[in-house]
Amino acid sequence: NAGVTQTPKFRILKIGQSMTLQCTQDMNHNYMYWYRQDPGMGLKLIYYSVGAGITDKGEVPNGYNVSRSTTEDFPLRLELAAPSQTSVYFCASTLDGNYGYTFGSGTRLTVV
Amino acid sequence: GQQLNQSPQSMFIQEGEDVSMNCTSSSIFNTWLWYKQEPGEGPVLLIALYKAGELTSNGRLTAQFGITRKDSFLNISASIPSDVGIYFCAGRTSTGANSKLTFGKGITLSVRP
Repeated sequence: NAGVTQTPKFRILKIGQSMTLQCTQDMNHNYMYWYRQDPGMGLKLIYYSVGAGITDKGEVPNGYNVSRSTTEDFPLRLELAAPSQTSVYFCASTLDGNYGYTFGSGTRLTVV
Repeated sequence: GQQLNQSPQSMFIQEGEDVSMNCTSSSIFNTWLWYKQEPGEGPVLLIALYKAGELTSNGRLTAQFGITRKDSFLNISASIPSDVGIYFCAGRTSTGANSKLTFGKGITLSVRP
């Protein structure tokens, strides 16, 4: 079991560029989440999904988009990168609303 | 929305010491979890608590679900250098499709050899 896999691990973007952060899980989890982590600020929820075809906004969705075409994959899209999006991004998954989350190892994104 | 309070932001202890962290809220939670994050990695679940008053251990770690359901405690006994990391509490106020975990801001633990 690979668990939750995120790619890439590191990326530098120029302002205005776009990119997709990939997240895939092999645990047949229904629920998936995207968080960003900034120093001293904890984890802030960007988007989440409770199943294929269903997505919803979290606390800080502006500037991001997601899709969930399969149970396994939950990519996060940045369309016009801004310096405020410099952060570490974590994907997480869980079987349902009763359990803790399994996190990926993160993508460190810098926008310059 | 619900907030989880963890303080102080950083703790410095000597190897071998015990350390206690708490997590408090003004809201009632029905699930409490404790995570540890090591540098360059994602948070890893340490202990999950599902019932008020529950006390659960995982090796040198012990966590308790507060009786009021508004707080939780994590104790680490006989600390070792590999205990270094950020410790997050997380809680859930409901179950079901739209229930989500709320995370505290974390406590960074440093252990001096």
